[in-house]
Amino acid sequence: DQQVKQNSPSLSVQEGRISILNCDYTNSMFDYFLWYKKYPAEGPTFLISISSIKDKNEDGRFTVFLNKSAKHLSLHIVPSQPGDSAVYFCAARATNFGNEKLTFGTGTRLTIIP
Amino acid sequence: DVKVTQSSRYLVKRTGEKVFLECVQDMDHENMFWYRQDPGLGLRLIYFSYDVKMKEKGDIPEGYSVSREKKERFSLILESASTNQTSMYLCASMGRGGSREAFFGQGTRLTVV
Repeated sequence: DQQVKQNSPSLSVQEGRISILNCDYTNSMFDYFLWYKKYPAEGPTFLISISSIKDKNEDGRFTVFLNKSAKHLSLHIVPSQPGDSAVYFCAARATNFGNEKLTFGTGTRLTIIP
Repeated sequence: DVKVTQSSRYLVKRTGEKVFLECVQDMDHENMFWYRQDPGLGLRLIYFSYDVKMKEKGDIPEGYSVSREKKERFSLILESASTNQTSMYLCASMGRGGSREAFFGQGTRLTVV
């Protein structure tokens, strides 16, 4: 049962344009959402996060939007740069009696075309 | 600079061997996680721990066990390695509560032959 889903395995975007990566979730108990970027043969690195009580968070070129009623979040990158080419994972945190579990999606491979 | 260190970048083991993957963090984090990454399947949670000596099963715990005897160290054990456990293994740690992100190690590419 995949609680965090990224339905697009890959995405290609022209350099300078906006990249939009999407993520859907099923568990309404998730209280925090995060986006990670991963290069081959390296561990994921944190990009940006959002609390479930907010609907938008912005950090430089990266903005995350959360639509709780639709159980959907998206990451916007603008303008897209060649160094943004990587696999992007969304993650969701659930807290249960002090346990904090972090569940990841399947990832979207973003390719920025120069 | 925060750090999560995995003991090996690459490992090759034989079927049936007992395999230990070690992870150490220097951030005094309560939470630690083990994931495996496979093409098309993303990062799947194997086990996690929210305190010393505490452990919880993740989504795919079969064939694995863990040990957390000290706060900074979280070990993943493959009791009898099988070829379907060939994968990239990623360790992460995270502080408790608030707006805290998880930090990952560099990963261990395990091949079971």
